[in-house]
Amino acid sequence: DQQVKQNSPSLSVQEGRISILNCDYTNSMFDYFLWYKKYPAEGPTFLISISSIKDKNEDGRFTVFLNKSAKHLSLHIVPSQPGDSAVYFCAASAKGGSEKLVFGKGMKLTVNP
Amino acid sequence: DVKVTQSSRYLVKRTGEKVFLECVQDMDHENMFWYRQDPGLGLRLIYFSYDVKMKEKGDIPEGYSVSREKKERFSLILESASTNQTSMYLCASSQPGVPNQPQHFGDGTRLSIL
Repeated sequence: DQQVKQNSPSLSVQEGRISILNCDYTNSMFDYFLWYKKYPAEGPTFLISISSIKDKNEDGRFTVFLNKSAKHLSLHIVPSQPGDSAVYFCAASAKGGSEKLVFGKGMKLTVNP
Repeated sequence: DVKVTQSSRYLVKRTGEKVFLECVQDMDHENMFWYRQDPGLGLRLIYFSYDVKMKEKGDIPEGYSVSREKKERFSLILESASTNQTSMYLCASSQPGVPNQPQHFGDGTRLSIL
């Protein structure tokens, strides 16, 4: 049973526009959520996270929104840049970001110049 | 800056061989993890360790074992490699008890079993 779902495998946006990446989860015990970015031939790099006690967290161009009642989170990238083109993974944990994580399948974002 | 180093970027082995994948981290982290990444399946946890000589099974431990003799080193072992273990293997480390500290990943080992 897939506990973390990224239902769209890919997204293509124009440079300067907003990118919205979505993630749904089923386990109500999850209390910490993270987004990782992965370029080909590199390991995933941490992007941004949010605790379940919050509904929004911002870091520069990146904002993550959490809707606990819907078990849904989203990553907004504004403005999108060509260097943002990568695979993005949503991950969740029941014990914080340093503990065992459950990952979604990933979504490939392409930002066109 | 956290550095997680995986000993090989690319590895080709034959069916039935015993394969060792090595991972070293330089931040004195207590937690270490092994994942595999496959197209359309995301990252799946194989094994993890919260301390030296300690290990716990993840979601897909079958066909694998691990060893953690020293805090900085976490080895993944394929006891008898099979073609369905061809994959990208990713090691990660983290420090527990530190708020908002994520896992840090190595660059991965792309393993092909022929």
